[in-house]
Amino acid sequence: EVELVESGGGLVQPGGSLRLSCAASGFTFSSYWMHWVRQDPGKGLVWVSRIDRDGSTINYADSVKGRFTISRDNAKNTLYLQMNSLRGEDTAVYYCGRAYAGYGAIDNWGQGTLVTVSS
Amino acid sequence: EIVLTQSPGTLSLSPGERATLFCRASQSVSSNYLAWYQQKPGQAPRLLIYGTSSRATGIADRFSGSGSGTDFTLTISRLEPEDFAVYYCQQYNHSLTMYTFGQGTKLEI
Repeated sequence: EVELVESGGGLVQPGGSLRLSCAASGFTFSSYWMHWVRQDPGKGLVWVSRIDRDGSTINYADSVKGRFTISRDNAKNTLYLQMNSLRGEDTAVYYCGRAYAGYGAIDNWGQGTLVTVSS
Repeated sequence: EIVLTQSPGTLSLSPGERATLFCRASQSVSSNYLAWYQQKPGQAPRLLIYGTSSRATGIADRFSGSGSGTDFTLTISRLEPEDFAVYYCQQYNHSLTMYTFGQGTKLEI
């Protein structure tokens, strides 16, 4: 069974940093592109970033470009999101997701981790 | 950027009824790259439909998707109590490497 478990969320001050992790199991992690998607409390879904199988192709939403860094460790079956220069508008539940190859969709999602940016 | 507009914002129906949810794109979307998700309170989204009309693994056949170009539809043929949730459409633009979601339709009893 595919399982994705996020961790690392919490309360951080504006301008601060946080690193999220997503531990994957139940599938061959190194064979899949992976995503981060966030959801403002009570609002809709916003795509954040994606990374290919070996980390050589990475894309970001404009709203996080230059501040967030996605990476992965295939030996540890773990996806990361390093978030720097955090702003209030980055407050959200952050989900990691497995890409559904060829269709631009996300076929498995973690349970999410809440990031709150506030002083 | 392609904007997805879902309608209605809220749909009030009863179990056993048919639900039709709409997703309109500001520009043409490749049929391969249009998906639908279901999200219940406190849960992660769940993939229902990919490639406009293909059901994801384990999704009941009462869920169906259709459409092309800028207009897409999710239909739930006979509502079950567990279907009351928020539904999102999502598109992928290959040339811009951009993923966008609609704002959601809340399906309520």
